[in-house]
Amino acid sequence: DFVLTQSPDSLAVSLGERATINCKSSQSVFYSPNGRNYLAWYQQKAGQPPKLLIYWASTRESGVPDRFSGSGSGTDFTLTISSLQAEDVAVYFCQQYHGTPPTFGQGTRVEI
Amino acid sequence: EVQLVESGGGLVQPGGSLRLSCAVSGFTFSNYWMSWVRQAPGKGLECVANIKYDGSEKYYVDSVKGRFTVSRDNAKNSLYLQLNNLRVEDTSTYYCTRGGLGYLYLDNWGQGTLVTVSS
Repeated sequence: DFVLTQSPDSLAVSLGERATINCKSSQSVFYSPNGRNYLAWYQQKAGQPPKLLIYWASTRESGVPDRFSGSGSGTDFTLTISSLQAEDVAVYFCQQYHGTPPTFGQGTRVEI
Repeated sequence: EVQLVESGGGLVQPGGSLRLSCAVSGFTFSNYWMSWVRQAPGKGLECVANIKYDGSEKYYVDSVKGRFTVSRDNAKNSLYLQLNNLRVEDTSTYYCTRGGLGYLYLDNWGQGTLVTVSS
């Protein structure tokens, strides 16, 4: 099974500052035949369903602001919010879809 | 516009059953993997079941194997989740989700339906 561990569990960032969230997988999510990392990031605001931000570890979903970026390969990944805005207050989850069923990290709460 | 609308949640006693439905619109349903993801109150996300676009492959998380069954009717643009032998720990909001083309990153989510298992 793929176990995803996020760090930190929560962080407080000033408006306009950088937020960095890490996600570590117990197994590599890299698939050599297509050269892709099967890792996605989601944002969940209070009272709403999650929203896809990033897939293939670094591909931004349509409509997602470019202050959100994903990086990493294999077992270690990072979601970066380059300049935190008030509307970015949320819980962020990573997810692997290399194995089935897909699994999620425990979530990271981002506050101002 | 892609829409996923869940229904069928409610209060049920331990050992009881429910059938969740998800009506979809705005895309060609038969081209996509679909998944049910649940979230216990104040907790994280758990993908409980996945089904391939033609229904030929299904996957379940270990905690629901033998109790939950995922199915789909491509003619009716509908996804289902049959929940049997429910336990208190199955209490969650259940989300219907669409997989990306051929893959299981989840690019669209419904608003969810709440299942409460309690005596």
